[in-house]
Amino acid sequence: ILNVEQSPQSLHVQEGDSTNFTCSFPSSNFYALHWYRWETAKSPEALFVMTLNGDEKKKGRISATLNTKEGYSYLYIKGSQPEDSATYLCAPLSGGYNKLIFGAGTRLAVHP
Amino acid sequence: ETGVTQSPTHLIKTRGQQVTLRCSSQSGHNTVSWYQQALGQGPQFIFQYYREEENGRGNFPPRFSGLQFPNYSSELNVNALELDDSALYLCASSSLSSGRESEQYFGPGTRLTVT
Repeated sequence: ILNVEQSPQSLHVQEGDSTNFTCSFPSSNFYALHWYRWETAKSPEALFVMTLNGDEKKKGRISATLNTKEGYSYLYIKGSQPEDSATYLCAPLSGGYNKLIFGAGTRLAVHP
Repeated sequence: ETGVTQSPTHLIKTRGQQVTLRCSSQSGHNTVSWYQQALGQGPQFIFQYYREEENGRGNFPPRFSGLQFPNYSSELNVNALELDDSALYLCASSSLSSGRESEQYFGPGTRLTVT
């Protein structure tokens, strides 16, 4: 069974602060890692799909890195804004099909 | 928006009843996955359908079943509802022909409450 852990569980920051979260997963049989952003009452939104060790991806103020050998990924938000408030989920891809194994998420609240 | 829709938005059922949830995939996607999200947890994989055939299943009992139709829309059926089935049910569409690392596009979910 794949165990995916995300930390911290929740985070409160002030507007303008930079922040980062961690996703840890077993490094064996790794294929890809997905990051999603989930705002309340909306659909989860895909942020990144990462496949290669050392991969770095960026979308605006949000970036992510991947270490498949040690089994972790970091998500960074530079200069947080209130609209960044959401739950951030990571999910490694497992098995012979497109099965995502989600962590419990990091809930971010950005205060003006 | 992702282009994936789900119906109904909310549903209240009684223990022992049966329920059908529906999902319309994004145009061009041939794969649909269903997830259950209980309070305080991440979404848990129920099963996946690819070209109308079940293509993998998570740790859910047989009373959770599904269908995928030729237009790639999908249904999740749950029989003999239990209180623990109360959760948000999400469907996600993708295109396996784009590779296993392709993004999955989620619908907004159906909130099921079992009383």
